[in-house]
Amino acid sequence: EAQVTQNPRYLITVTGKKLTVTCSQNMNHEYMSWYRQDPGLGLRQIYYSMNVEVTDKGDVPEGYKVSRKEKRNFPLILESPSPNQTSLYFCASGPTGGGTDTQYFGPGTRLTVL
Amino acid sequence: SQQGEEDPQALSIQEGENATMNCSYKTSINNLQWYRQNSGRGLVHLILIRSNEREKHSGRLRVTLDTSKKSSSLLITASRAADTASYFCATDAGGNKLVFGAGTILRVKS
Repeated sequence: EAQVTQNPRYLITVTGKKLTVTCSQNMNHEYMSWYRQDPGLGLRQIYYSMNVEVTDKGDVPEGYKVSRKEKRNFPLILESPSPNQTSLYFCASGPTGGGTDTQYFGPGTRLTVL
Repeated sequence: SQQGEEDPQALSIQEGENATMNCSYKTSINNLQWYRQNSGRGLVHLILIRSNEREKHSGRLRVTLDTSKKSSSLLITASRAADTASYFCATDAGGNKLVFGAGTILRVKS
């Protein structure tokens, strides 16, 4: 089944404790991206990647890191999480650039930073 | 930066009625997409309409695009309780980024 998977689905952590949210797609997509969703603000893009080893900042990249060492994986890293990073996070993938093709979204990761 | 803005923010209708949601955006686009999100879940793609298209249909969904007014509308005909969800427009303003609006919450009462 074609899908985007994220792990963990739920995470409660404390300020400053490094964490990684994994994202994997099995559709051989070139493009992958991360969004955060906050009430009243819709989805805001954090980072995106056009291909392996190519990553770029989205609209809200501060406090986040990403890497794209393999085509299928695009982990999101929070080196020192803070409470304002409490949010619902989505990974997405698409055949090509974000706006030109259908994007396939993962189920989301609900992160709480205390 | 929020490119698309949906209107209304929330909409409540009876099953069988039509639901219309609007999206306005600020800069020129290459295409516009509509997505649906059931409560707290991932987004599901509905329709992509390109800037040279004016109307597109998919089942009970009809999307229009007016580039002169920088606006789009999503019409769901004969709504069902299962259509209850949030609906987002997303625009491609170039640069390989997809920018989402804040969404319209649709509630269909049975």
